[in-house]
Amino acid sequence: DVKVTQSSRYLVKRTGEKVFLECVQDMDHENMFWYRQDPGLGLRLIYFSYDVKMKEKGDIPEGYSVSREKKERFSLILESASTNQTSMYLCASSLLVGSYNSPLHFGNGTRLTVT
Amino acid sequence: DQQVKQNSPSLSVQEGRISILNCDYTNSMFDYFLWYKKYPAEGPTFLISISSIKDKNEDGRFTVFLNKSAKHLSLHIVPSQPGDSAVYFCAASAGTGANNLFFGTGTRLTVIP
Repeated sequence: DVKVTQSSRYLVKRTGEKVFLECVQDMDHENMFWYRQDPGLGLRLIYFSYDVKMKEKGDIPEGYSVSREKKERFSLILESASTNQTSMYLCASSLLVGSYNSPLHFGNGTRLTVT
Repeated sequence: DQQVKQNSPSLSVQEGRISILNCDYTNSMFDYFLWYKKYPAEGPTFLISISSIKDKNEDGRFTVFLNKSAKHLSLHIVPSQPGDSAVYFCAASAGTGANNLFFGTGTRLTVIP
């Protein structure tokens, strides 16, 4: 069974800090994703990666960057955290590009609070 | 603008009865639809999907219906069980491509024992 592991369940950071959210998957999936979940807004795609060192912007990339140096690891970086980045962050992976017969497998999420 | 809408934030159902969760979409290019289930403190898990060439897909207690003319899909859970209590997200995809998957805002289902 696919396992997607997010390194932190809860994080509290101060405004202006640089924040790293780490995600590791163990099923050799090509594609990895970062979403944020906010009440009333559902899940919104921040960035995704379809290969090592490759990245693509999602719907809300502003204020974020990503890094994928190894196939199994995908990091989300908040260069200078702001209070409007307080949210639940969800990492996901999938075998194939797109959703056909290849649903996303999600981690348990990191709840980030920026004060 | 929200392309996938779940207009009911919450739903309560008695155990053993049918749960019906609804989802509407605006983009006529969507051709693949999925439902994800999310328990508190866990990530969403894939539940069931349907292609636009079908109007019904069934998996055990879960059935998804698609009405393309109305741009509407629904998830039926029969019979509902307390373990089904979770947030359910509808998602829709317009072709392949990782950035072509759009999620609804979720419906919290509570199944009352």
